[in-house]
Amino acid sequence: DQQVKQNSPSLSVQEGRISILNCDYTNSMFDYFLWYKKYPAEGPTFLISISSIKDKNEDGRFTVFLNKSAKHLSLHIVPSQPGDSAVYFCAANVDRGSTLGRLYFGRGTQLTVWP
Amino acid sequence: IAGITQAPTSQILAAGRRMTLRCTQDMRHNAMYWYRQDLGLGLRLIHYSNTAGTTGKGEVPDGYSVSRANTDDFPLTLASAVPSQTSVYFCASSQSGTEMSPLHFGNGTRLTVT
Repeated sequence: DQQVKQNSPSLSVQEGRISILNCDYTNSMFDYFLWYKKYPAEGPTFLISISSIKDKNEDGRFTVFLNKSAKHLSLHIVPSQPGDSAVYFCAANVDRGSTLGRLYFGRGTQLTVWP
Repeated sequence: IAGITQAPTSQILAAGRRMTLRCTQDMRHNAMYWYRQDLGLGLRLIHYSNTAGTTGKGEVPDGYSVSRANTDDFPLTLASAVPSQTSVYFCASSQSGTEMSPLHFGNGTRLTVT
């Protein structure tokens, strides 16, 4: 049973516009959320994270929003660039402390940014 | 360049054969992990190790074993490969502690079991 869900397998956005990638989760014990970006033939790379005590975290063009009551988070990329074209994975962590890396991943969303 | 090295990059393996996927990190991270990525399923944790000498089971551990003899190496062994183990395998590491440390991933091993 998928505890982290990314219901949109793909998203296509024009360069300069906003990209919004969505993620839903079912486990209320999750307390840390991350977004990873993956290019073909490479491993995922960390993009941005947010703790459950916050509702927003911003890093340059990337902002993550967390709505705990709705068990929903989103990643906003503004402005989108062609180099942002990649698969984006949402991930969540339930065991802080000794098992920080035990992440539950969504299925990913392929973002395509066209000129 | 510091990071995680996985070997081999890809492998075709006959069912029933034994295979060890290698993973080495030079960042002195104490925690290491093995994930598999399957189309439409995202990444799923196979096994993990919080520190040298200890290992634990993840979501999908059956058919796999790991060892952690030292800080740098975390090999994953398939004792008798089956076609359902066809996947892309990613090794990752993190510096566990009181602060959340994001995972650093290797570039993966693409395994095909025929």
